[in-house]
Amino acid sequence: EIVLTQSPGTLSLSPGERATLSCRASQSVSSSYLAWYQQKPGQAPRLLIYGASSRATGIPDRFSGSGSGTDFTLTISRLEPEDFAVYYCQQYGSSPVFTFGPGTKVDIK
Amino acid sequence: QVQLVQSGAEVKKPGASVKVSCKASGYTFTSYDINWVRQATGQGLEWMGWMNPNSGNTGYAQKFQGRVTMTRNTSISTAYMELSSLRSEDTAVYYCARVGSRGSGYFGYWGQGTLVTVSS
Repeated sequence: EIVLTQSPGTLSLSPGERATLSCRASQSVSSSYLAWYQQKPGQAPRLLIYGASSRATGIPDRFSGSGSGTDFTLTISRLEPEDFAVYYCQQYGSSPVFTFGPGTKVDIK
Repeated sequence: QVQLVQSGAEVKKPGASVKVSCKASGYTFTSYDINWVRQATGQGLEWMGWMNPNSGNTGYAQKFQGRVTMTRNTSISTAYMELSSLRSEDTAVYYCARVGSRGSGYFGYWGQGTLVTVSS
């Protein structure tokens, strides 16, 4: 089973700042089958990025994903107030076994 | 538009079973896999398994093998997840999630979640 590690655990930033979130896999994720989700309190997760770098429908272009192999990054270019949330990465390359990372909380500094 | 509507909150005693439903609309139910993901309070997301609504084929995370059963009723576009031998650690919000595209494994659409509380 592929284990995902996310860092940092918490990222304290101000609106307008750039956020860089990391997701590292215990083994290579085939075909860059890596997704990112945003979750706010009391809500279901929302898909942001799939295929490591493709934005889901309706996702603002301040969100971008990059990486391959075992190292992936989610970047939020300029934080908006609504971006403060928890972010999870998920690998789906070892189908049909899927795993999530433990999450990174982005909170207001 | 794609919608997944789940059944309401449940309270169960240890050792009992729970069955959560997920009614799909806005697309062809049999064309996209449904997965189940759970989240204990204040914790992360935990993938439980998948089901192909067309064939009924399933695959479960090793942790839940023998305790979870995923089924469907295609006539009413509804998927089900049944978890047996409940224990307090199973207290969580359970989500159904549809894959974003055929054959993929990312989850483009989510239900609203169903809180299952296991307590004596």
